[in-house]
Amino acid sequence: GENVEQHPSTLSVQEGDSAVIKCTYSDSASNYFPWYKQELGKRPQLIIDIRSNVGEKKDQRIAVTLNKTAKHFSLHITETQPEDSAVYFCAAIDNYGQNFVFGPGTRLSVLP
Amino acid sequence: NAGVTQTPKFQVLKTGQSMTLQCAQDMNHNSMYWYRQDPGMGLRLIYYSASEGTTDKGEVPNGYNVSRLNKREFSLRLESAAPSQTSVYFCASSPSDRDDTQYFGPGTRLTVL
Repeated sequence: GENVEQHPSTLSVQEGDSAVIKCTYSDSASNYFPWYKQELGKRPQLIIDIRSNVGEKKDQRIAVTLNKTAKHFSLHITETQPEDSAVYFCAAIDNYGQNFVFGPGTRLSVLP
Repeated sequence: NAGVTQTPKFQVLKTGQSMTLQCAQDMNHNSMYWYRQDPGMGLRLIYYSASEGTTDKGEVPNGYNVSRLNKREFSLRLESAAPSQTSVYFCASSPSDRDDTQYFGPGTRLTVL
């Protein structure tokens, strides 16, 4: 089955700096890779996703890159703000849409 | 639209007790999911329902049962609760079971003593 690893587990950056979170997956058939943000005590919410037919996707300060050959994808947040502080989860969904596996999460702290 | 709703928000059970977690969505989504979230473990899929009338096991189904009552509702039942089932439970829905965005409910915090 699919296995998703995520690094780092915690990340602290100064406000205005960039943050990068990396995930690797094991199932080469996976074709959909969402990123979720979860604030303390709240539900996970989708912030960006990418499908296997593209290598990069950007939405304002957030971007995701995908390397299918190496089976890894990354979340990039530029010009970080205190409200970006949260736990971020990556996930991989296989070609059959039946195996949803999340990474263990990265706790991002943006220091003022 | 309320989106995905869950009841109850909090629950405390004693070992061996049973209970049902309720989930409903008003987005006309076909697929629904139950996850548990333990500290440092991320989200793990318990069961899912790709469409009304179907259910399938996820990564951690032992100790749980589910019912897709209709297109809107998907319940999770613990027949004999154990302390290892102490967790936060999230229900989610998506338009289909393919590469679609999942929308999460607010969660149920369950403690089993």
